[in-house]
Amino acid sequence: GQQVMQIPQYQHVQEGEDFTTYCNSSTTLSNIQWYKQRPGGHPVFLIQLVKSGEVKKQKRLTFQFGEAKKNSSLHITATQTTDVGTYFCAFHGGATNKLIFGTGTLLAVQP
Amino acid sequence: SAVISQKPSRDICQRGTSLTIQCQVDSQVTMMFWYRQQPGQSLTLIATANQGSEATYESGFVIDKFPISRPNLTFSTLTVSNMSPEDSSIYLCSVGTAGNTIYFGEGSWLTVV
Repeated sequence: GQQVMQIPQYQHVQEGEDFTTYCNSSTTLSNIQWYKQRPGGHPVFLIQLVKSGEVKKQKRLTFQFGEAKKNSSLHITATQTTDVGTYFCAFHGGATNKLIFGTGTLLAVQP
Repeated sequence: SAVISQKPSRDICQRGTSLTIQCQVDSQVTMMFWYRQQPGQSLTLIATANQGSEATYESGFVIDKFPISRPNLTFSTLTVSNMSPEDSSIYLCSVGTAGNTIYFGEGSWLTVV
């Protein structure tokens, strides 16, 4: 079935450093969503991208959808300890158009 | 966004027993889903809870193991039957919106011993 790989699986940064996670699909996606899950918490919706080449910003977070709509990235500028958590991309796919989650990237931020 | 309450939030269960998780939403929603998140893993959709009819299960999940009820537009239950340690997971209730985004409850953390 459709799968989306995220890289890296894990990233450890010093506070203030930048961070990027990438989401790659073998097929064209209709849209891509990003979620954040804090340790011990539940996933929280961050954003949805729909258009080819779309770029959206939320404060220090920049989300990008590739021109071919097969990949996406989330970039955090100047990480803070509050950024700790697992970031998942997700897309609608499969026979039932269900929301399929990527493998996730766990971000650790050292103060 | 909807407020989603799940009970229990956490439980330790004996193998061979069954546990029912409740999900209450503060508004009527059309789409409700149940996800499973095994330790250190991503989220996997178990089924779509349909109001007034049988749930739609994803590949690898069956009704006998995960019976689901959805008596109205604000409430659903998921039962994990005949539990084994492999069922130790977070079980997440979620609701869909017209914009195709998903909002999650706080999850039910189950440990089977």
